[in-house]
Amino acid sequence: DVKVTQSSRYLVKRTGEKVFLECVQDMDHENMFWYRQDPGLGLRLIYFSYDVKMKEKGDIPEGYSVSREKKERFSLILESASTNQTSMYLCASSLGAGMNTEAFFGQGTRLTVV
Amino acid sequence: AQTVTQSQPEMSVQEAETVTLSCTYDTSESDYYLFWYKQPPSRQMILVIRQEAYKQQNATENRFSVNFQKAAKSFSLKISDSQLGDAAMYFCAYRWMNRDDKIIFGKGTRLHILP
Repeated sequence: DVKVTQSSRYLVKRTGEKVFLECVQDMDHENMFWYRQDPGLGLRLIYFSYDVKMKEKGDIPEGYSVSREKKERFSLILESASTNQTSMYLCASSLGAGMNTEAFFGQGTRLTVV
Repeated sequence: AQTVTQSQPEMSVQEAETVTLSCTYDTSESDYYLFWYKQPPSRQMILVIRQEAYKQQNATENRFSVNFQKAAKSFSLKISDSQLGDAAMYFCAYRWMNRDDKIIFGKGTRLHILP
């Protein structure tokens, strides 16, 4: 079974802190994604990566950055956390283009910024 | 730009009955995938069913089936013999087939199962 693991299930951080959310997948997937999930807004893409060191902005990249130094790991960085970044963050991975496959999701990280 | 619309924020169905969740999408592409994902309360998002746009036959997975109308850009999910464990958020999603690209999700439909 594909496993996508997010480093924390729950996280509480202070305003202004630098926050790292880590995601690791074990199926050699090319694509990795970070989504933010808020009630009534569904899943909104923050960033995605289709290869090591490659990244593309999603719909809401402001206030976030990402890092993919190894194929299996995709990190989301909040440079200076703010209260409006309190949310559920979901990491996902999938095989590359043309492959008949869905995205596999981690369990989510519920981040609270106080 | 591609968009996915789920017009029903919440739905309820009696246990053992059938329910249909609606999804429409907008794209200019001809080759793509459509998905329905399920997110149970406080649990991980999992795939329910997948449809390739080039296939005319509607996908089926046990009690779950889709009605894929490519010309109308409609992709509804039918759940037969609803069970308590079907209670969840359901998300419709779109992905372009031939390029490394994002997966676009609708806003979700919360399904309640009434005992």
